[in-house]
Amino acid sequence: GIQVEQSPPDLILQEGANSTLRCNFSDSVNNLQWFHQNPWGQLINLFYIPSGTKQNGRLSATTVATERYSLLYISSSQTTDSGVYFCAEDSYGQNFVFGPGTRLSVLP
Amino acid sequence: ETGVTQSPTHLIKTRGQQVTLRCSSQSGHNTVSWYQQALGQGPQFIFQYYREEENGRGNFPPRFSGLQFPNYSSELNVNALELDDSALYLCASSLGSVGIPLGETQYFGPGTRLLVL
Repeated sequence: GIQVEQSPPDLILQEGANSTLRCNFSDSVNNLQWFHQNPWGQLINLFYIPSGTKQNGRLSATTVATERYSLLYISSSQTTDSGVYFCAEDSYGQNFVFGPGTRLSVLP
Repeated sequence: ETGVTQSPTHLIKTRGQQVTLRCSSQSGHNTVSWYQQALGQGPQFIFQYYREEENGRGNFPPRFSGLQFPNYSSELNVNALELDDSALYLCASSLGSVGIPLGETQYFGPGTRLLVL
């Protein structure tokens, strides 16, 4: 099955800083999703982004499907952005295959 | 809030016991998927139920079983608990429909934290 890698594994930022998280896939990308898991465990959908670029406030994401990677940009980070960010692919339209996540800590 | 609820929120069991976790789907959703998330890892797919029938299964042994009810709520049952079953169990509901990617409709519940001693 598809393998998902994420980098960096851990990231510590000062409030107000910008960051880029990366997701690499071993196979073609069809239905890529970015999630944020808050410290209480709730997974929140951020972007469904099989290709191209999307923006939502301070967050944006870009997927280059032909090169099998996706990037998540966080600008002007806030302490509420802390948590774990996952990318995932549902190649078969049935279940997500998740990456190991990037743990982000934003310090005040 | 996503509209998907899970119970209980936390649970402590001992090795060899059995456990049942529950999930209520978001209104209008007919598909429920269960995931296991060990500490420090990404969620792993256990199985999916669509209209009360199992519709796919990940790499989990048969002691992990499930049910989906006519109102599309679901249960995850784990028999003969092992220490490695300690994890956050997530359910996600979605509108199963051919051609619609999961990401368009799937929402996760808050999870049940299971500790096996």
